[in-house]
Amino acid sequence: AQSVTQPDIHITVSEGASLELRCNYSYGATPYLFWYVQSPGQGLQLLLKYFSGDTLVQGIKGFEAEFKRSQSSFNLRKPSVHWSDAAEYFCAAETPGTYKYIFGTGTRLKVLA
Amino acid sequence: DVKVTQSSRYLVKRTGEKVFLECVQDMDHENMFWYRQDPGLGLRLIYFSYDVKMKEKGDIPEGYSVSREKKERFSLILESASTNQTSMYLCASNRQNSPLHFGNGTRLTVT
Repeated sequence: AQSVTQPDIHITVSEGASLELRCNYSYGATPYLFWYVQSPGQGLQLLLKYFSGDTLVQGIKGFEAEFKRSQSSFNLRKPSVHWSDAAEYFCAAETPGTYKYIFGTGTRLKVLA
Repeated sequence: DVKVTQSSRYLVKRTGEKVFLECVQDMDHENMFWYRQDPGLGLRLIYFSYDVKMKEKGDIPEGYSVSREKKERFSLILESASTNQTSMYLCASNRQNSPLHFGNGTRLTVT
């Protein structure tokens, strides 16, 4: 069965430190891949997407993600975290050409001042 | 910017009531979705619609129905609300092969 796994439920980092959030997928073929961020009480906002091509994808708010086919991973990174990055982050995948998105269970990021 | 608007941020309803959650998008998107979000379970698809009057069941359609009479509007209906339908409900829309755009969500409490 297709799945998206975010192994870390909670992550705590200090402001200014680097960040990596993990995402692994299990699909028959390479899906479209997305990272979304959700602030408390809000909907999900798209950070970045990967459809094909360059495996390093730049997004908004200084985030980037790297697609690694051999590891079935799409990890999200940021070189220096700001207090305003505290939120919940969701990885998602879509089988191309379908309406079927699968979301990970989310990683809640806490940022220490 | 795409705007997806959900009519209510918070709703409190009683068991057995019929509940309507409304969603409107302003970017002429073909596809619209209703998700339910619960802690530890991520987002689960209830229903989606790929055209006016067209709908397909998602992963957890039981106890829900939907209506799409106009392209910009997608309604989620709880025919007889139950306490296990207390949750955050998220509406989203997109064009095919483009990312989902989400509303701010409706937090529904059924007592």
